[in-house]
Amino acid sequence: DTEVTQTPKHLVMGMTNKKSLKCEQHMGHRAMYWYKQKAKKPPELMFVYSYEKLSINESVPSRFSPECPNSSLLNLHLHALQPEDSALYLCASSRFPRGQEQYFGPGTRLTVT
Amino acid sequence: KNEVEQSPQNLTAQEGEFITINCSYSVGISALHWLQQHPGGGIVSLFMLSSGKKKHGRLIATINIQEKHSSLHITASHPRDSAVYICAALSYGGATNKLIFGTGTLLAVQP
Repeated sequence: DTEVTQTPKHLVMGMTNKKSLKCEQHMGHRAMYWYKQKAKKPPELMFVYSYEKLSINESVPSRFSPECPNSSLLNLHLHALQPEDSALYLCASSRFPRGQEQYFGPGTRLTVT
Repeated sequence: KNEVEQSPQNLTAQEGEFITINCSYSVGISALHWLQQHPGGGIVSLFMLSSGKKKHGRLIATINIQEKHSSLHITASHPRDSAVYICAALSYGGATNKLIFGTGTLLAVQP
């Protein structure tokens, strides 16, 4: 199994809603990543989890809250988002945090209304 | 100046043509990714390489560490190759490597 899965594929939410994005991998990878990608731009790193611990937070606003309940699962909790947060949210994983190929999921297309 | 530069930004080719996309970087890296993204879609990792050359089907990637340059070649291009191709440098050092992304090359292969 060389797949990273993400749910949901599409999400529309209002600015007062609370929602969560889910990412899962069963490759035994110990590093997992959240990226945000705006249209026609490269992905921007948001968070990195290394061995289930948050190792990098790229100064992301607190309305985005990551969680890594176990080594296979990564969540991104969303609360009080702004319309400018609308983007494709990509999850990735790698075997280890250093020097390893990253495998990307298909992404969640988020629209904030 | 971006740490990872790609050229060209846009490329239109006829089916069957040989295609080259270039990537130059100015930082120390441990490896370089070539990624593919179809419109509206997720990202697929094509190659990760730290030296020499890799081949997978019609795709070939090369890297010259001394010159800090990598190329992605597509032989016998096909309309299904139409996508954005992104090179991303895996930064060197630290407990966690970060990917530094180029701005992408939008490839359109016409039948």
